[in-house]
Amino acid sequence: DQQVKQNSPSLSVQEGRISILNCDYTNSMFDYFLWYKKYPAEGPTFLISISSIKDKNEDGRFTVFLNKSAKHLSLHIVPSQPGDSAVYFCAASEAEYGGNQFYFGTGTSLTVIP
Amino acid sequence: NAGVTQTPKFRVLKTGQSMTLLCAQDMNHEYMYWYRQDPGMGLRLIHYSVGEGTTAKGEVPDGYNVSRLKKQNFLLGLESAAPSQTSVYFCASTPVGQWYEQYFGPGTRLTVT
Repeated sequence: DQQVKQNSPSLSVQEGRISILNCDYTNSMFDYFLWYKKYPAEGPTFLISISSIKDKNEDGRFTVFLNKSAKHLSLHIVPSQPGDSAVYFCAASEAEYGGNQFYFGTGTSLTVIP
Repeated sequence: NAGVTQTPKFRVLKTGQSMTLLCAQDMNHEYMYWYRQDPGMGLRLIHYSVGEGTTAKGEVPDGYNVSRLKKQNFLLGLESAAPSQTSVYFCASTPVGQWYEQYFGPGTRLTVT
């Protein structure tokens, strides 16, 4: 049973606009959340993370929001650029000490239209 | 600094054959992971290791074995390949201090006929 879900397989956004990618999870024990970006024929690369003690984390154009009560997180990209076109995976983990299991969503393919 | 490398990049196996996928990292990372990615399924953890000589099962370990005899290498073995093991396999590693930031290899595309 999928513990981390990304219900939108794809998203298209105009260059310069905001991209919002969503992720839901079912396991209330998850306390660390991550977003990865993946280009074709490459491995995923880490983008941004957030701990369950926070509700927002920002890194340049990327902001992740966490709503623990709704078991929902989202990634905002502002402004979107054509180079952001990739598949985005959210992931979650139960323990903030490492060596633990990461559970990934199925990914959302973002296309930024020039 | 090569990061995480995976060997081979592509492989076609017949049902019942065996093979070993090699993952190597030159970043002195403690933790290493093996994932498989299937269409519509995201990445699923097969096995992982928190240090040299230690391994643990992940979400989908059946049909696979692993070994971590050296800190820099993590091997994934398929003893008797099945068509259900057709997938793209990714290896990843993380340092202790930034355990959440997994560094992934480029992947191995395996087809079992």
